[in-house]
Amino acid sequence: QLQLQESGPGLVKPSETPSLTCTVSGGSISRSSYYWGWIRQPPGKGLEWIGNIFYSGSTYYNPSLKSRVTISVDTSKNQFSLKLSSVTAADTAVYYCVRDKQYLDLWGRGTLVTVSS
Amino acid sequence: NFMLTQPHSVSESPGKTVTISCTRSNGSIASNYVQWCQQRPGSAPTTIIYEDNQRPSGVPDRFSGSIDSSSNSASLTISGLKTEDEADYYCQSYDTSSHVIFGGGTKLTVL
Repeated sequence: QLQLQESGPGLVKPSETPSLTCTVSGGSISRSSYYWGWIRQPPGKGLEWIGNIFYSGSTYYNPSLKSRVTISVDTSKNQFSLKLSSVTAADTAVYYCVRDKQYLDLWGRGTLVTVSS
Repeated sequence: NFMLTQPHSVSESPGKTVTISCTRSNGSIASNYVQWCQQRPGSAPTTIIYEDNQRPSGVPDRFSGSIDSSSNSASLTISGLKTEDEADYYCQSYDTSSHVIFGGGTKLTVL
């Protein structure tokens, strides 16, 4: 059964550019016509879509975050990644990776990223 | 673009039926499929309704989805409420650029 697992730095300082990785297990990231994406949830708040990527590399980003977000895929490692530049306290959130097959059918368990000096 | 508006909270008693609405701000609700995600406390969300009214395998038929063009809204109905249904529920759709749009979420209390 396919599973997603996020990994990230945990604690980062303001203005840094953290990188998060989602490892896909139980299936190949490039074998199916799915998008792979990132969603975040600040503490006590709702869900915010960040963006997604196709295994070929084409991407879609939330316009409100587009200038700071890069999503990439490494098919050899069966992973996809998120980089978020110039972070502030407002970027403190649980970050989830998801599979998008025209609906978000698989979610990772999430990883908390805290931005603090 | 459009927004999806949900009530902040709803509450109902066990065994009863509750309906959560999701109103689209502009454009037709029928233009893009609506999904519903459930997020229990301390857990990641899961999608319980997709393509307006389809249930992924394993989701009980107590959960149902619908859309209403007259009110430009989607609804999630949960019948035979159980205490385990207490959770946050988010509606979700896609815009014409395939961007994911979430509603603000509704906290369901089963009391």
